[in-house]
Amino acid sequence: KQEVTQIPAALSVPEGENLVLNCSFTDSAIYNLQWFRQDPGKGLTSLLLIQSSQREQTSGRLNASLDKSSGRSTLYIAASQPGDSATYLCAVGGGYQKVTFGTGTKLQVIP
Amino acid sequence: DGGITQSPKYLFRKEGQNVTLSCEQNLNHDAMYWYRQDPGQGLRLIYYSQIVNDFQKGDIAEGYSVSREKKESFPLTVTSAQKNPTAFYLCASRSAAGRTQYFGPGTRLTVL
Repeated sequence: KQEVTQIPAALSVPEGENLVLNCSFTDSAIYNLQWFRQDPGKGLTSLLLIQSSQREQTSGRLNASLDKSSGRSTLYIAASQPGDSATYLCAVGGGYQKVTFGTGTKLQVIP
Repeated sequence: DGGITQSPKYLFRKEGQNVTLSCEQNLNHDAMYWYRQDPGQGLRLIYYSQIVNDFQKGDIAEGYSVSREKKESFPLTVTSAQKNPTAFYLCASRSAAGRTQYFGPGTRLTVL
């Protein structure tokens, strides 16, 4: 059974700092890995999707990497802004429509 | 605007009552999903449907039921058999060829 872990559960950084969020998974037989953002009381917004054959994806100030062999992914946020404050979830896509979500990292960027 | 809508945003239920949560999408997506989110836990899959008139149980289907009579709609009924229904419920959809799930804004259900 796939298990997805995100550490830390919460993170507080000053504005402008670069930061890294971590995601680890137990079964390396994955189809893809996706990072989502969730604002309080809202649905999930997709940030980046990495296929199993890819090593990284970039969108603006965000860069996500994938290392299947070690069961790890990171989400790098450059020059953080208060608007980046949210919970970030990673989701691992397996076979048969199975997607396993991590518990998330709650990020607070302090002005 | 294309997207997924969920209604209502907030729902209150008395113990012993069934309630139905609405999920509608105009993205022409084939697959639709229902997840439950509890504090400190990841999203857990309740039911999913890949085509009209077909649906499959997820990891925590007990106490829930769904229907998929139309491609655009995938309502979730929380029955009285669900012992701890208070949670945030999220609906998602995905195209047949797509890799990304698109999520609705969620419904927060509270049992009084």
